[in-house]
Amino acid sequence: DAGVIQSPRHEVTEMGQEVTLRCKPISGHDYLFWYRQTMMRGLELLIYFNNNVPIDDSGMPEDRFSAKMPNASFSTLKIQPSEPRDSAVYFCASSHTGGGQPQHFGDGTRLSIL
Amino acid sequence: RKEVEQDPGPFNVPEGATVAFNCTYSNSASQSFFWYRQDCRKEPKLLMSVYSSGNEDGRFTAQLNRASQYISLLIRDSKLSDSATYLCVALKTSYDKVIFGPGTSLSVIP
Repeated sequence: DAGVIQSPRHEVTEMGQEVTLRCKPISGHDYLFWYRQTMMRGLELLIYFNNNVPIDDSGMPEDRFSAKMPNASFSTLKIQPSEPRDSAVYFCASSHTGGGQPQHFGDGTRLSIL
Repeated sequence: RKEVEQDPGPFNVPEGATVAFNCTYSNSASQSFFWYRQDCRKEPKLLMSVYSSGNEDGRFTAQLNRASQYISLLIRDSKLSDSATYLCVALKTSYDKVIFGPGTSLSVIP
């Protein structure tokens, strides 16, 4: 089985530009999570979906961040406009059911905003 | 106080040593607990779940102390390949926000 697939692996862009990160969860998984990881703040949950519906977006830092899941096999995390402080590794993860199940992470997107 | 706290380390131990990490959680309603391992510049991967009665997987032993609200991970006979950051996770009842600890860094030295 393919794991969680994220793209791009690396993104370098100038501040003010729109950034779109993409994620394909493991087939059959009904939960999808977006995380951000930095040295200072560790691994932070930004938002998660259940059956394509956003359940908790309280971790989304501000209105510049938005996430969508138009179908069971695709999700996007968008930052517009991007700022240097958004530089981080962004992980997508999926799991089959709720809290008792482990999450499977993608390789992450390393984002650098200049 | 953070919801999940860990000693960041680093823990530097010689090969063959036994090392233990603790992780404390603040919400007594937390029901599910896990240890994840993250190698440098890689994604976190599940190491093991933590069961109420404690559980063992080879050289790794996980324990839960609900009264004191902490979980622990014991690694026996450390290998060089155990060098990584170990993240604990606490989950509340039903499906709720996933809280990862900040991680504990382990370096096993030859």
